[in-house]
Amino acid sequence: NAGVTQTPKFRVLKTGQSMTLLCAQDMNHEYMYWYRQDPGMGLRLIHYSVGEGTTAKGEVPDGYNVSRLKKQNFLLGLESAAPSQTSVYFCASSYDLGRPQHFGDGTRLSIL
Amino acid sequence: AQTVTQSQPEMSVQEAETVTLSCTYDTSESDYYLFWYKQPPSRQMILVIRQEAYKQQNATENRFSVNFQKAAKSFSLKISDSQLGDAAMYFCAYEYIFGTGTRLKVLA
Repeated sequence: NAGVTQTPKFRVLKTGQSMTLLCAQDMNHEYMYWYRQDPGMGLRLIHYSVGEGTTAKGEVPDGYNVSRLKKQNFLLGLESAAPSQTSVYFCASSYDLGRPQHFGDGTRLSIL
Repeated sequence: AQTVTQSQPEMSVQEAETVTLSCTYDTSESDYYLFWYKQPPSRQMILVIRQEAYKQQNATENRFSVNFQKAAKSFSLKISDSQLGDAAMYFCAYEYIFGTGTRLKVLA
């Protein structure tokens, strides 16, 4: 049982480059989330989705875009990477807001 | 907007002793859900315990229990009989809003 899978696990980018982080879940969850984790700041919500074809902004959405074309996948895009986006990114999914979130293993992204 | 505050950046506890981690939150909702998650050095996020706001009874899971004070908007986590494996970052969450975390050290 895979749960939530994030791809890639590590990546180094140069300033201005673009990339997409992929999140896939096999639990038929409606809700999916993207967070970033920085030292001393906990997890901050970037974007989330309450179902296929929907997306919504979280606390820190600037510089990121997302898409949920299929229920099981939630993509996070960086159009023009900046050093301030160096972070560990977590994807999560849940049945709804009242159920626990299941997290992926995280993606460590460094932008030089 | 909802907020979650964890005022203890770091706590220490002797093995087999009891420790309480604090969490306060702010919301205007009456029905909501609160969570404690654990993040060990492996970086994996693991659910510890869940509380439904409309339930008066405090949630418990083995050695983990909460003290939920709805009027005070407080949601503390008590770990009894602490074990070395409990050492981790602990995050309090109001649905998808997370606190900044408390690092728990367990001393042998």
